[in-house]
Amino acid sequence: GDSVTQMEGPVTLSEEAFLTINCTYTATGYPSLFWYVQYPGEGLQLLLKATKADDKGSNKGFEATYRKETTSFHLEKGSVQVSDSAVYFCALSVNQAGTALIFGKGTTLSVSS
Amino acid sequence: GAVVSQHPSRVICKSGTSVKIECRSLDFQATTMFWYRQFPKQSLMLMATSNEGSKATYEQGVEKDKFLINHASLTLSTLTVTSAHPEDSSFYICSARDAGGINEQFFGPGTRLTVL
Repeated sequence: GDSVTQMEGPVTLSEEAFLTINCTYTATGYPSLFWYVQYPGEGLQLLLKATKADDKGSNKGFEATYRKETTSFHLEKGSVQVSDSAVYFCALSVNQAGTALIFGKGTTLSVSS
Repeated sequence: GAVVSQHPSRVICKSGTSVKIECRSLDFQATTMFWYRQFPKQSLMLMATSNEGSKATYEQGVEKDKFLINHASLTLSTLTVTSAHPEDSSFYICSARDAGGINEQFFGPGTRLTVL
C-alpha cells in the first residue's frame, strides 16, 4: 500500500544551521506530496507542497523537490531559526477525490540559540 | 487561506460519559472531512472519512459504534466519543477538503481529550 517514511528524530540544531529532513514514499500512480508543520499544542499547518515530478515547493525559507526517480521529497532550509522548532510531517495524497492524506511518523526539530 | 475550526479545543471528562467534538469549515464548503487521532509524539492516524449526507467510512480497527461521526452539512462534521475511557484520551484533529479543490486539505487546530 501507499506509505511515507521519514527520518527519525529528534533533530537538534543550532540557530543558522542547515536543515535536511529526509522523506521517501511508496505509492501507486502519481501522488501529490506535502510537508506539514505542527507547533507545540497546535494543529497541522501546510508548509509546502508539490503536485508533480520535479516541482519544487517552497515557503518561509523551506524547500522540497518532488523526485520521482528516487521517490523522495526531502525538506531543506539553509538557515534555521529557534522559531522553526516544531514537528514536521511528510505526507502524500493519491490524486483521487475524497482520499485522505497518508502521513509519515513526523520528525521533531529542536533549534537552540 | 481556508479556515477550519474545532470545538472544544480541550475537554476533560469522566469515564463513561460521551463527548462531542465539532469541526467546521468557516469560509468554504467541504464535501469530505477527515478525522484523525494523534497519540503523543506519534503521527496522525486516520480514523474515518466523513462525506456530507452519507455514512462515514471507518478505517480498520476503529469502532464505529464508539466513534460516531455525523456530517450533516457542507460546513460541519461532528465526532462523538461514546462511553469514553481513559485509553480514548488523545489529540483529535479534523481536516476538510475544499469542494472546489483537489488534494488540498485544511486542518483544524485539534481537540485535546482527557478522560479521567
